[in-house]
This record gives sequence, structure tokens and C-alpha cells, in this order.
Amino acid sequence: GGIITQTPKFLIGQEGQKLTLKCQQNFNHDTMYWYRQDSGKGLRLIYYSITENDLQKGDLSEGYDASREKKSSFSLTVTSAQKNEMAVFLCASSPGTPSQNTLYFGAGTRLSVL
Amino acid sequence: GQGVEQPDNLMSVEGTFARVNCTYSTSGFNGLSWYQQREGHAPVFLSYVVLDGLKDSGHFSTFLSRSNGYSYLLLTELQIKDSASYLCAVRHPNYNVLYFGSGTKLTVEP
Repeated sequence: GGIITQTPKFLIGQEGQKLTLKCQQNFNHDTMYWYRQDSGKGLRLIYYSITENDLQKGDLSEGYDASREKKSSFSLTVTSAQKNEMAVFLCASSPGTPSQNTLYFGAGTRLSVL
Repeated sequence: GQGVEQPDNLMSVEGTFARVNCTYSTSGFNGLSWYQQREGHAPVFLSYVVLDGLKDSGHFSTFLSRSNGYSYLLLTELQIKDSASYLCAVRHPNYNVLYFGSGTKLTVEP
């Protein structure tokens, strides 16, 4: 089995601050994702990556940057935190092939902006 | 946009069943997945369907009707521990992209 580790678990930031969230997986999966989950809303895709150094924008990419420097890691940067913003950021990985489509999620990073 | 709709809440009784509905209207379709998410935890994969009909996986069964843009997750012999949110996700023809609904919070009462 494998595991996805997200750090930090909790992140408190200031308005306008640049914040970085990290994700590591040891499944050796090709594809990794960042989703945002707000209370009462579904998971919305921010960025995904199908291989090392690849980046693909999701529907919610504005205000975020991402980096996939290694196959095992995928980081997300909030370029300018918005006041009173509260959300959970979920990292996931997948083999990414047509026959293997399951997403494996990390436990999440909970963001609060003061 | 990509529309995946689920009711917000569902209540049922221990020992009975619950049906969690999902309707979708997306620009393409390459299968539909169901995930379970307990409060404060990550979503966990339950089932994937791509062909019409009922797929029986024991405690969980899933139904799909592509012509109607409709799926449901059926939980039988409910236990209190089945209380969780259930997320429906439609896979885009680009295999790497999933569009999630907002989830249905199932509460199982004694």
C-alpha cells in the first residue's frame, strides 16, 4: 500500500500572504491533483499534473500556482491569501490510466486566513 | 460548466437502506465514481461505473443510466457507521479530470 502526506495539516495566514502547501505520495503514481473543498460545495479542481514537470490548470486555478519538480511531490501556492478565507485543500494521486481511475486522497490542509 | 448535482442531506434508519442520488450534465462522460467522506477525513473510493445498469458490490450497489444522466448509490443493511458524506464524481473523456458533486450527508439513526 501507499500513502499521501500533506503538510501542514493546519495553516493560518494573513491577508495578502503567499502560502505554500506540500504533498508527497509513495504510490509511484503518475498523476497528482489539488482540489479545494469549501463547506457545502463539491471538490473543485485547482491544478493537476500527469508527470514530473507537467502542470494543467483546473477550473479554479486563478490565484494559485503549482509545482511538480519530482514525481512523488506536488506543491500548491496560494499567491495572495484572501481575508476570512476558509477551505480544505485536498491532494490526490492516481495511476491516471483509463483502466485505473481511482483517486487516493491525502488528509487535507485546513486553511484559515485572518 | 460541468454540472454534477446531489441532494444535500439524507436520513435513514439502522438496518434499512438508503439511496443517494446523483444527476449530471457534463460536456463528456467517461464513467462515474462514488466516494465516501467521513467528517474531517479524506474521501475514500467506493465504486466506479461506466456501463448502464446495476452493479452490486454487496453493502454498496451502484446504478447508472447514461441516457438520463443519473446514478445512485444504494446502501443496504445500514449501520450507524455508514453516516458520512457520499460524493459523486463524473470522469471527463480526458481521463485525468473528475468533476465532483457537493456530496450528500447521510445520517443513519438508531
